[in-house]
Order: sequence, then structure tokens, then C-alpha cells
Amino acid sequence: AQSVTQPDIHITVSEGASLELRCNYSYGATPYLFWYVQSPGQGLQLLLKYFSGDTLVQGIKGFEAEFKRSQSSFNLRKPSVHWSDAAEYFCARSTASKLTFGTGTRLQVTL
Amino acid sequence: GAGVSQSPRYKVAKRGQDVALRCDPISGHVSLFWYQQALGQGPEFLTYFQNEAQLDKSGLPSDRFFAERPEGSVSTLKIQRTQQEDSAVYLCASSHRTSGGNWNEQFFGPGTRLTVL
Repeated sequence: AQSVTQPDIHITVSEGASLELRCNYSYGATPYLFWYVQSPGQGLQLLLKYFSGDTLVQGIKGFEAEFKRSQSSFNLRKPSVHWSDAAEYFCARSTASKLTFGTGTRLQVTL
Repeated sequence: GAGVSQSPRYKVAKRGQDVALRCDPISGHVSLFWYQQALGQGPEFLTYFQNEAQLDKSGLPSDRFFAERPEGSVSTLKIQRTQQEDSAVYLCASSHRTSGGNWNEQFFGPGTRLTVL
């Protein structure tokens, strides 16, 4: 089955520092990949998505992600983290319209 | 416009009780999805509707789970004879495009947190 792996359960960064959250997907045809953010008590909000074309994707809130087929990765990055970025981040892929999510990475931001 | 809404936001049930969870998708959205999110886990797919047709129910964990969308708008997820392992957040999402659109953004509601005692 096609799956998504997020190796880091919990990451802590200082405000203003750069951030990279890892995501790996299992082998398959052209993957449709997404990054969602979930704040406590809130629904999932789409940050960005990749289907084809330029492998560097820009999203909302200053986030970007790079698709690397050779590494089966779709890592999320942000050059300077803000305290409000503290949340749970989920990588997902779409197959037959339904989303398969990773287990998530909880981001903590220290001031 | 309004986003996806879900009710109730919190539900506590005694083991063995039946529960019904409601989802109001974004107006005009054709596709509707239900996901189950256990504590500390990512959401897992339960079922998918295109208008009133239930096209995929492969994720429903048992025959105690039933979902419907009779008029192609509001959807209800029903769980019969609840068990403790049913405790989770149930998320609803809608998308404006039809089946086959792997690229379609799904808009999520805030979820219903179900606790079974």
C-alpha cells in the first residue's frame, strides 16, 4: 500500500531559526503530495501541494517544500519560524481521491 | 463563505450507545470525506461520497459504522454500539471537484471529539 512516513515525532526550534520537517513517501506513480497544519482544536489547513512541474513549491505562511523523486521525499521548510507556527504538521498523499496521512510532526517553538 | 462545520464538537457516550455525528460541507462541494484521527496519529480515511453516492467505504472499521448523505449535502456518520476503541476525533472534509481528482484540495472541518466511557 502506498504510504507516507514522517520520521520526526517532535521537533523544537527557536523562534527565528530555520525549519525542515521530513516526509517520505512509498514508491508509486506520480505522487500527489500535500502538507497540512493542525492547530489545537482546529481542523486541518492546507499549506501547499505538489502534483507535477517545478519541484520547489511555495505555500502559505512562508512555507515551501521540495519534491525529490530520487529520495522519495517531500520535505517542508521555512527560513524563519514564528511562535505562531507551533502546531502539528501532516504530510499526505492522495490516491483515488482519498488522503493518506503520515503520523505527524509536532513543532514546538521556543522564544 | 462559511467553511465545513461539524456538530457536536464534543460527544461523550457510554459503551454500547449509538451516536450520530453531523457534517455540513461547504455549499456546492460535490465530494465529502470522513476521517478518523486517533490520539497522536494522523487522520485515517473512513469513507467518501460524491453527491449522494457513497463511492468508497473501504476505511469503515466495522459494520457498526454507517455513513449517509441522502441529499448530496449534509452527511451523518453513525456509530452503533460504541466501543472504547471508537474514541477519536472524527474529521469531515469536502472538495468541490468530482471523483478522480487527486489534486483537489480537501477543506476540513474542526472535527468531533468522541469519547466512549
